[in-house]
Amino acid sequence: DAGVIQSPRHEVTEMGQEVTLRCKPISGHNSLFWYRQTMMRGLELLIYFNNNVPIDDSGMPEDRFSAKMPNASFSTLKIQPSEPRDSAVYFCASSFALMSSYNSPLHFGNGTRLTVT
Amino acid sequence: TQLLEQSPQFLSIQEGENLTVYCNSSSVFSSLQWYRQEPGEGPVLLVTVVTGGEVKKLKRLTFQFGDARKDSSLHITAAQPGDTGLYLCAGSAVAGGTSYGKLTFGQGTILTVHP
Repeated sequence: DAGVIQSPRHEVTEMGQEVTLRCKPISGHNSLFWYRQTMMRGLELLIYFNNNVPIDDSGMPEDRFSAKMPNASFSTLKIQPSEPRDSAVYFCASSFALMSSYNSPLHFGNGTRLTVT
Repeated sequence: TQLLEQSPQFLSIQEGENLTVYCNSSSVFSSLQWYRQEPGEGPVLLVTVVTGGEVKKLKRLTFQFGDARKDSSLHITAAQPGDTGLYLCAGSAVAGGTSYGKLTFGQGTILTVHP
């Protein structure tokens, strides 16, 4: 079984450049989550989708961040323009969850380590 | 906003010792999940506890959900170097809400077990 696939694994870019992170969730899962992990803040939920529809984007730090899910098998997180404080590990996770689901396990990808210089 | 506080933040012990990690909140959760994360990888689910007072065992790991469903603990017996990693608790909102499986994570406990 293929797990959640994220690309790239590492991204190094200069301040001001556009960064696009990609995620392929597990087939059959209908919820997709984007998290950011830093030593200072731990795992922060940025945005999540259910059936390709954004449900809550209140964790997106600024308008520089945007996410899309054009179909059930693909999602992107874009940062434009990027800044040094965006440096972190970005995780995508998927699950099968209904509106009132409360114990669906999350399956995480291996993350994208982003460094903005 | 539901917050989860984990303690301790760091734990460094010798092989064979026992340890307990705590996860506390002022909010009630429908369920709590525990994940383990190794360097360069994403978190992996260890267990889910749903009922207040529930105790689950996974080999040398014992998980407990508080009676009021506001806290949880993870106890490891006779720790081994292979237990080294970041342990995260994660809570789900009270049932009946529109959660779609959304989880709030604690800050994590970094465990190092020395041979």
